[in-house]
Amino acid sequence: NAGVMQNPRHLVRRRGQEARLRCSPMKGHSHVYWYRQLPEEGLKFMVYLQKENIIDESGMPKERFSAEFPKEGPSILRIQQVVRGDSAAYFCASSPSRVTLAKNIQYFGAGTRLSVL
Amino acid sequence: RKEVEQDPGPFNVPEGATVAFNCTYSNSASQSFFWYRQDCRKEPKLLMSVYSSGNEDGRFTAQLNRASQYISLLIRDSKLSDSATYLCVVNSNTGNQFYFGTGTSLTVIP
Repeated sequence: NAGVMQNPRHLVRRRGQEARLRCSPMKGHSHVYWYRQLPEEGLKFMVYLQKENIIDESGMPKERFSAEFPKEGPSILRIQQVVRGDSAAYFCASSPSRVTLAKNIQYFGAGTRLSVL
Repeated sequence: RKEVEQDPGPFNVPEGATVAFNCTYSNSASQSFFWYRQDCRKEPKLLMSVYSSGNEDGRFTAQLNRASQYISLLIRDSKLSDSATYLCVVNSNTGNQFYFGTGTSLTVIP
């Protein structure tokens, strides 16, 4: 049973380009979370999605960032017109159902490290 | 005030030592609590959930104090392989968001 798969593992973009990060949740998981980790900082929640629905995007920057989780295929985190401050590790996590009372936990992918030149 | 606060350390302890980490959280309505570990430049991995009554898993013991809004992790008989950053994680009152502390760095020295 494959874990959470993220690709690419490393992504280099020049300022102004677009970055697309993909996340395939664990088999049987329908909930996906995206986090960003800046160097020497903790993980920051960005967005929580279920299939075809954005449930909570309160951690997502208002501009340039968007996320989707289509009926078929992986979840995509899209960053338009990247800037140097977007350089970070982006982690995706999945869970089998809404995480409540510690009954379900989040399993993390290995992350995508985005470097903006 | 941050949602979750941890002492960043670093904690440098000899093999076999006992070490404890604390974490405080600001939202009294939080329901779920976890400790994750993160090795350098890798993904966080669940160490253990934290239950109200406290729970133990081998050399690791987690405690929750709701009145004071803090969580603790105790590691007994430290191993070299315990060297990592330990992340305290608390959910939001809606259950949608999980807040991560910045982590406490532990190095176990031979």
